[in-house]
Amino acid sequence: SAVISQKPSRDICQRGTSLTIQCQVDSQVTMMFWYRQQPGQSLTLIATANQGSEATYESGFVIDKFPISRPNLTFSTLTVSNMSPEDSSIYLCSVAISGGGYTFGSGTRLTVV
Amino acid sequence: GEDVEQSLFLSVREGDSSVINCTYTDSSSTYLYWYKQEPGAGLQLLTYIFSNMDMKQDQRLTVLLNKKDKHLSLRIADTQTGDSAIYFCADINQGGKLIFGQGTELSVKP
Repeated sequence: SAVISQKPSRDICQRGTSLTIQCQVDSQVTMMFWYRQQPGQSLTLIATANQGSEATYESGFVIDKFPISRPNLTFSTLTVSNMSPEDSSIYLCSVAISGGGYTFGSGTRLTVV
Repeated sequence: GEDVEQSLFLSVREGDSSVINCTYTDSSSTYLYWYKQEPGAGLQLLTYIFSNMDMKQDQRLTVLLNKKDKHLSLRIADTQTGDSAIYFCADINQGGKLIFGQGTELSVKP
């Protein structure tokens, strides 16, 4: 099954700045998914990233705030722009694996001060 | 819309069995999943079951699916302190998106 390397694992950022999170997969995958997990909450899908096309965003998430790149079939980035303390969360990427499962990166724990 | 519900907390003694329950609303779910999240860590896929199955066993883990009642459970036999974590139930909706429950925090007492 696919192995995802996600970085950074954690960061503390000043409000108003941006942070770019990277996910590298050890095999080619069609779709990559980005999730947010707010403190003490479950996971919420932000967007689905397909190679060669614009990402598809879920309700409540917009491209200006969470721009996504998907330059090839093994890599994607999520940027959290113009951060505020409300953006403090764990951000995770995910890909589908053979047999119907989904695997996740280790997550990026973001704190905005 | 689709919904996945779990109880928030479960406390057991080391060596006992743990049973974590989940209900879902989407009758078209094809797969249902159990994930484990340890403190400060990402999500680990524990096991998953195809919707035409009613049971799946994998070492200490047993998944039971009652499709009629839309009820999924995860049983952990001989629970150890290392099993303390948050366990998330999830299903796949018709659009191919994972819908997660709120997570059940399992506390294992020695």
